[in-house]
Amino acid sequence: AQSVTQLDSQVPVFEEAPVELRCNYSSSVSVYLFWYVQYPNQGLQLLLKYLSGSTLVESINGFEAEFNKSQTSFHLRKPSVHISDTAEYFCAVSDRAGANNLFFGTGTRLTVIP
Amino acid sequence: NAGVTQTPKFQVLKTGQSMTLQCAQDMNHEYMSWYRQDPGMGLRLIHYSVGAGITDQGEVPNGYNVSRSTTEDFPLRLLSAAPSQTSVYFCASSNVGSSTDTQYFGPGTRLTVL
Repeated sequence: AQSVTQLDSQVPVFEEAPVELRCNYSSSVSVYLFWYVQYPNQGLQLLLKYLSGSTLVESINGFEAEFNKSQTSFHLRKPSVHISDTAEYFCAVSDRAGANNLFFGTGTRLTVIP
Repeated sequence: NAGVTQTPKFQVLKTGQSMTLQCAQDMNHEYMSWYRQDPGMGLRLIHYSVGAGITDQGEVPNGYNVSRSTTEDFPLRLLSAAPSQTSVYFCASSNVGSSTDTQYFGPGTRLTVL
């Protein structure tokens, strides 16, 4: 069975500072990893995903995540955050390439301070 | 395309009442699912379907029923609401088994059971 641990429930960070949101997973089979973002009062949107190939994946708005198999981690990073990045971020794992049946972490609330 | 739509956006029920949360998608996705989101617990899978006429249980199916008579619609039924079912419910859809596809989420239904 898969499970996901997000170690930080809340992360406050000043605008233009770097940020790392941590995610660790456990799985006995091949995994596919995802980061979703949820803005206030909205549904979830896919931020980025790792399916295979390069272990470093990037999103269009400057976030990146690196799949580390030996440490079973998929941490999310951004070198310089903006106010608009304030949201809740969820790490998720699936054992199927089509992102079906996702197992989510408990979420990390990122608050960017002006 | 409207994507994934959910109705209603808000609902208040009394214990023991029944209701149906509606979910529809216009992307011809085979896979549809229901999640519930609770504070500090992330999203948990309730039921899912890989095509019309096919449904299966997820992580927390008790107290909920589903059916899939068409590709487009995947309603979630609460037969006898309980306060423990107070939550935000998200419907999602995607193709099945495609390594390049992503899962699309609806805007959510906020349910309160008194």
